[in-house]
Amino acid sequence: AQSVAQPEDQVNVAEGNPLTVKCTYSVSGNPYLFWYVQYPNRGLQFLLKYITGDNLVKGSYGFEAEFNKSQTSFHLKKPSALVSDSALYFCAVSANTNAGKSTFGDGTTLTVKP
Amino acid sequence: NAGVTQTPKFQVLKTGQSMTLQCAQDMNHNSMYWYRQDPGMGLRLIYYSASEGTTDKGEVPNGYNVSRLNKREFSLRLESAAPSQTSVYFCASSEPYSYNEQFFGPGTRLTVL
Repeated sequence: AQSVAQPEDQVNVAEGNPLTVKCTYSVSGNPYLFWYVQYPNRGLQFLLKYITGDNLVKGSYGFEAEFNKSQTSFHLKKPSALVSDSALYFCAVSANTNAGKSTFGDGTTLTVKP
Repeated sequence: NAGVTQTPKFQVLKTGQSMTLQCAQDMNHNSMYWYRQDPGMGLRLIYYSASEGTTDKGEVPNGYNVSRLNKREFSLRLESAAPSQTSVYFCASSEPYSYNEQFFGPGTRLTVL
């Protein structure tokens, strides 16, 4: 079985400050890890993913994420937050043994205040 | 390209009524998915289709049926709606391998009274 935990329901940061949204996972085999963003009344949009290789992956809108195998984590980061980054963020995991099915975390609401 | 489209956008049903949610994608993806999103529970997989002609149950399939009509279209049917099925439903598509990201439709907000 595979699972994802996003330990924080809500993250609040001030504009211009760095942000981190946490994610830990559990999976059998090699993990494929994803971050998606959801704006109000919209579907999820893909931000970035880790498949293999460099532990630091870069994605859309200046976001990046660091894969840490020993801590089974894949935290989303951005050096300088924007008010427009305020949204709901989902971490997801899949494995090469699971026929393309991803398991999603419960989501973290990011609020960036001016 | 429209990506993934879903109809309707909103629907209100009475308990016991039936309805079909439609989903289509124009990205030539092999795999398609149906999720429901409830507050504080993330996305839960209802059914998925790895390729045309195949469907399989996800985490929460009870009360739902699906049809993979062709490569483009994947519909979700509620035969006898219940208030517990009040949710936002998302369709998604992807290439079939686990390392591929999914592309989501805009969602259908369903209320069952």
